[in-house]
Amino acid sequence: EVQLVESGGGLVQPGRSLRLSCTGSGFRFSDYAFHWVRQAPGKGLEWIAYIKSNDYEGAVEYAASVKGRFTISRDDSKSIAHLQLNSLKTEDSGVYYCVRDETTTCYPAHWGQGTLVTVSS
Amino acid sequence: DIQMTQSPSTLSASVGDRVNITCRASERISFWLAWYQQKPGKAPKLLIYKASTLERGVPARFSGSGYGTEFTLTITGLQPDDVATYYCQQCRGTFGQGTTVELK
Repeated sequence: EVQLVESGGGLVQPGRSLRLSCTGSGFRFSDYAFHWVRQAPGKGLEWIAYIKSNDYEGAVEYAASVKGRFTISRDDSKSIAHLQLNSLKTEDSGVYYCVRDETTTCYPAHWGQGTLVTVSS
Repeated sequence: DIQMTQSPSTLSASVGDRVNITCRASERISFWLAWYQQKPGKAPKLLIYKASTLERGVPARFSGSGYGTEFTLTITGLQPDDVATYYCQQCRGTFGQGTTVELK
């Protein structure tokens, strides 16, 4: 069974950093691409980052709202995708979801349960 | 960036009704569109991908259509379990604002 488990969320002050992790199991992690999607409290979904498999050089893409502050990476040996969040703002608060996708097509069927990030002083 | 405009924002319908939700892309995206259902406190669930392909296990009353810039999610025969918020998403990019489906 495909499972994605996010971790690393919590309460952090504005301007500080946080690293989120997405641990995959039940599938060959290196074959897949991954997204991070967030949802502010009571708001809609926002796509924020994407990383291809290393067969495609692990190419990355970011939403304009986080480009330059957030970094997506992957460690296939540990079946983990990371999202490094720097220079956090209060508007970065929300639930962060990890999503598995296919590099050569678009099939975002598997989501984690999410991890909550709260940016507040 | 491609913008996704979803309508309506809220929809009230009766059990058994046919319901349509529209998603419009600001640029042509071929068939690279997905639809999700989200219930409170839960992660989104994929319903439709590549504009019209039904995800395994999703009831056949859900269907998707469209190509290019105009897309539609249809629920044929609304059920109480379908009360949720629905989102469209261009592949690897922007989501629509969401449509909340309520029962009359």
